[in-house]
Amino acid sequence: QVQLQESGPGLVKPSETLSLTCTVSGDSISSYFWSWIRQPAGKGLEWIGRIYPSGSTNYNPSLKSRVTMSVDTSKSQLSLRLTSVTAADTAFYYCARVVMGSGYYYFDLWGQGTLVTVSS
Amino acid sequence: QTVVTQEPSFSVSPGGTVTLTCGLSSGSVSTGYYPTWYQQTPGQPPRTVIYSTYTRSSGVPDRFSGSILGNKAALTITGAHADDESDYYCVLYMGSGISLFGGGTKLTVL
Repeated sequence: QVQLQESGPGLVKPSETLSLTCTVSGDSISSYFWSWIRQPAGKGLEWIGRIYPSGSTNYNPSLKSRVTMSVDTSKSQLSLRLTSVTAADTAFYYCARVVMGSGYYYFDLWGQGTLVTVSS
Repeated sequence: QTVVTQEPSFSVSPGGTVTLTCGLSSGSVSTGYYPTWYQQTPGQPPRTVIYSTYTRSSGVPDRFSGSILGNKAALTITGAHADDESDYYCVLYMGSGISLFGGGTKLTVL
């Protein structure tokens, strides 16, 4: 079955860059859009952005100036970079698969998430 | 800036019926926003309950239903079970690749 696994440093210093990877197994990464979504502990979900393996991206306007997403199809990996982090960026970060078609659009598969803490 | 609105909390008795809603700070929610509802329990990623306004995700009990009520999307649980106690999030597709989550509703079953 398809699995998504996020990985990366659990601790990032303020003003530095958060970098995460999501490894997709069990299906082709090339056929879908993929999103990153985050959730501060005890708070709600926030959509960060989406990417298609062709390189096409869409970002949350509130994060757009700091976010870069990329895809490495040879490794079946997605990457997220968030620059100039502050404590407000401390959250669980999820990658999710986007499914869309005539009349539907939603995130059908999610990784387990990885906690990133921003602290000196 | 558009905000997706949800009730912060709701309570329902076991066996009772509850309707959670998902609105927009400006305008009405329609099927064209492809409203999706997620259920999340502590320590777990969200699980799809309803997508495309009305469609139950695979394995979701039929006591969950989705609809448009007035100018909002709605998630109704008919005959609530104790294990329905969770956080519920709606998300709307705003177009141009942008998705927007609501703040979530904490549902208590007691």
